[in-house]
Amino acid sequence: KAGVTQTPRYLIKTRGQQVTLSCSPISGHRSVSWYQQTPGQGLQFLFEYFSETQRNKGNFPGRFSGRQFSNSRSEMNVSTLELGDSALYLCASSLAWGDGYEQYFGPGTRLTVT
Amino acid sequence: KNQVEQSPQSLIILEGKNCTLQCNYTVSPFSNLRWYKQDTGRGPVSLTIMTFSENTKSNGRYTATLDADTKQSSLHITASQLSDSASYICVVSIINTGTASKLTFGTGTRLQVTL
Repeated sequence: KAGVTQTPRYLIKTRGQQVTLSCSPISGHRSVSWYQQTPGQGLQFLFEYFSETQRNKGNFPGRFSGRQFSNSRSEMNVSTLELGDSALYLCASSLAWGDGYEQYFGPGTRLTVT
Repeated sequence: KNQVEQSPQSLIILEGKNCTLQCNYTVSPFSNLRWYKQDTGRGPVSLTIMTFSENTKSNGRYTATLDADTKQSSLHITASQLSDSASYICVVSIINTGTASKLTFGTGTRLQVTL
């Protein structure tokens, strides 16, 4: 069974631009979560989607948004990029939404903002 | 405030030696605690997951312990190998009450295994 895939793997953008990252969950998984990882802050939760609905949201500005499609694939968008948005963005999928469901992480998208 | 603290921040050990990583948490209400291994440039991979009622769980050379009374967990690595070099992240889950984040992450322990 294929794991979680994220595209692109690496991305370089300029301040002020916007970016869209994509995540394909493991087949049969319906919940997708997004995380930002930086050396200083570690892993921080962005949002979680289940059945095309955002179920939880972390403490990030409105420039960070996401969506989930009917096939469970998910995208996240960051508008008006800032230097501080440079990070590894990780997507994780699980069978369903709720406690106890194991999360499987993708390899991440390394975003560099210059 | 829900927090997860890990120690040490970094650790260097010789191949073949054992080591123990620590995790203290203040997360409440507690649901489960997970340990992840993250290789450089890759996503985290789950090692163990323990609920409130479990006090030890093993996955090969990795053994995690949990003391829910003192809110402490440890990850013991036996007979370390070069491939164990990675960051180890402790993650505590709260009971899903619809709050912003179910998971609270520690900042990780960076382990380097050398010859």
